Amino acid sequence: AQRVTQPEKLLSVFKGAPVELKCNYSYSGSPELFWYVQYSRQRLQLLLRHISRESIKGFTADLNKGETSFHLKKPFAQEEDSAMYYCALKRSGYSTLTFGKGTMLLVSP
Amino acid sequence: NAGVTQTPKFHILKTGQSMTLQCAQDMNHGYMSWYRQDPGMGLRLIYYSAAAGTTDKEVPNGYNVSRLNTEDFPLRLVSAAPSQTSVYLCASRTRGTTTYEQYFGPGTRLTVT
Repeated sequence: AQRVTQPEKLLSVFKGAPVELKCNYSYSGSPELFWYVQYSRQRLQLLLRHISRESIKGFTADLNKGETSFHLKKPFAQEEDSAMYYCALKRSGYSTLTFGKGTMLLVSP
Repeated sequence: NAGVTQTPKFHILKTGQSMTLQCAQDMNHGYMSWYRQDPGMGLRLIYYSAAAGTTDKEVPNGYNVSRLNTEDFPLRLVSAAPSQTSVYLCASRTRGTTTYEQYFGPGTRLTVT
């Protein structure tokens, strides 16, 4: 069965510091990976997907199939980045997503 | 577009009572899903529907859904238990295979006493 692991429940950094939110997955097939974000009092929303290879709000994530990881990175954290971040996996041929347990990012001034 | 809407926002239910959580979307999305969101547990899929008239469940018992049309995807708690205390999120997405963005509703916070 597939699994998504986010090892950190909470990550606390200072403004301007680099950020890396870890995501590891287990899946024998070819996965699609996503990062979703939920800001305080807002809806869960898509941040980025590995297929697009895009940078959103300064965040990037690279799929590393050898290490089965999809870590989310930002070189300089901002206070407005404080939120709950979820990594999610879609299996090939399936419609549903499997989410990790989430990491709360707190960026202090 | 209102996107994905959910009602009610909050509700307190007693053990053994039943209740229907409403979810609607106005984006003509084929796929709709229900998740529960619990602290430290992330999001767990409860039910999903690929189109009107079809549903598929991920977790056994305690929940029922119907998909009579494209817009609505209500979730029914048959006989509520304290273990069903959670935030319930409804989501929808297009049927296309080139994009896979799920749009989430604001959630229903349900407490079962």
